[in-house]
Amino acid sequence: TQLLEQSPQFLSIQEGENLTVYCNSSSVFSSLQWYRQEPGEGPVLLVTVVTGGEVKKLKRLTFQFGDARKDSSLHITAAQPGDTGLYLCAGRPYGQNFVFGPGTRLSVLP
Amino acid sequence: GAGVSQSPSNKVTEKGKDVELRCDPISGHTALYWYRQRLGQGLEFLIYFQGNSAPDKSGLPSDRFSAERTGESVSTLTIQRTQQEDSAVYLCASSLRGQGPGATNEKLFFGSGTQLSVL
Repeated sequence: TQLLEQSPQFLSIQEGENLTVYCNSSSVFSSLQWYRQEPGEGPVLLVTVVTGGEVKKLKRLTFQFGDARKDSSLHITAAQPGDTGLYLCAGRPYGQNFVFGPGTRLSVLP
Repeated sequence: GAGVSQSPSNKVTEKGKDVELRCDPISGHTALYWYRQRLGQGLEFLIYFQGNSAPDKSGLPSDRFSAERTGESVSTLTIQRTQQEDSAVYLCASSLRGQGPGATNEKLFFGSGTQLSVL
């Protein structure tokens, strides 16, 4: 049983389109992180959110942590081929290590 | 080096053989993690080291799996009597975690992983 669910599992879009991917759980987290992983590489941290309702922006990426600290979303504006990769969310239950979701595999076509 | 280094990058072995995977964390990083990533899937936690101790080994899938860390630096993950279901990418990460469990702003730095194929 997955502690964290991510949707969609796969997403293929054209360059310039907007998209949102979701990370959901029935558990409460002290913090939540988003990573991007490219083929043959390890995940690279994009953002950490720690406050319920928090919104963080990183250039064309907007991250939101749910008010109840159980879910998060990642919105990408005007996607580019360089955004292609596996997007992983990782939630930290209180007092425990991070738990990773299964990921959303994004493909942005030129 | 500047980043987390893992070796070998690829390992092909025969079923039943033992393998050792190595991780060199970023210098000074107190915490070290091992994860397993099966093809097309997310990361499965295996073990966490704080210094040379492993306070959380809950993710090791069987007693064929073991890991150690020495000198608060290099870590080795050993898989004995490998089986085909062990085929996966094994990722190592390190961090400056020093505030005990639940350090909310902990940033993990990952290596590129070892691709293990058991024939």
